[in-house]
Amino acid sequence: QSALTQPPSASGSPGQSVTISCTGTSSDVGGYNYVSWYQQHPGKAPKLMIYEVVKRPSGVPDRFSGSKSGNTASLTVSGLQAEDEADYYCSSYAGGNNLLFGGGTRLTVL
Amino acid sequence: QVHLQESGPGLVKSSETLSLTCSVSGDSISSYYWNWIRQAPGKGLEFIGYIHYSGRTGCSPSLESRVTMSLDTSKSQFSLRLSSVTAADTAVYFCAGSNRGWCFDLWGRGTLVTVSS
Repeated sequence: QSALTQPPSASGSPGQSVTISCTGTSSDVGGYNYVSWYQQHPGKAPKLMIYEVVKRPSGVPDRFSGSKSGNTASLTVSGLQAEDEADYYCSSYAGGNNLLFGGGTRLTVL
Repeated sequence: QVHLQESGPGLVKSSETLSLTCSVSGDSISSYYWNWIRQAPGKGLEFIGYIHYSGRTGCSPSLESRVTMSLDTSKSQFSLRLSSVTAADTAVYFCAGSNRGWCFDLWGRGTLVTVSS
């Protein structure tokens, strides 16, 4: 199966909001509520930011929120801060033992 | 606080078998599903597979013919073997833990494995 589709880049100024999309199919994003989002700074391991579409792990700021409509999931970062600049990856369960990741979006804080 | 640490050779010859171990400290290895994820240089993440202390395993369809995973509760370690490697298997390999559905709460720092010809 193909990776989920994310825009390669996104940007916003401090304090603004930015939304990153993650498009799949009815066999993955649209079919299950197991969409997650990860933040990865250069040279570091990814960090779980959102799981099960809308849930935030303890310690993740409420500036980060997730949603889903049909086959597209979205991550919104509100009140952008300099430390939010990173790569963001979505993932979705795709049935069986299959988990797909998106290609990643580089978020730049202008 | 749970800590994961990958270990293994950083260089593997083409056609040979890549072997990595992840050591878990700070919690019982029975508390989580344990996963392997890799990231080719400059590329995105790729799920490899998971193992649970119960013996349950699962693997990405694209890799399952070459992947073997095991878990040693006495050592609090789990391992990955990937056979018949090629240059396309060059990547940073992460071990990760999860106790929620199909997401990864805990991550090791990752270890770069380069496949040489």
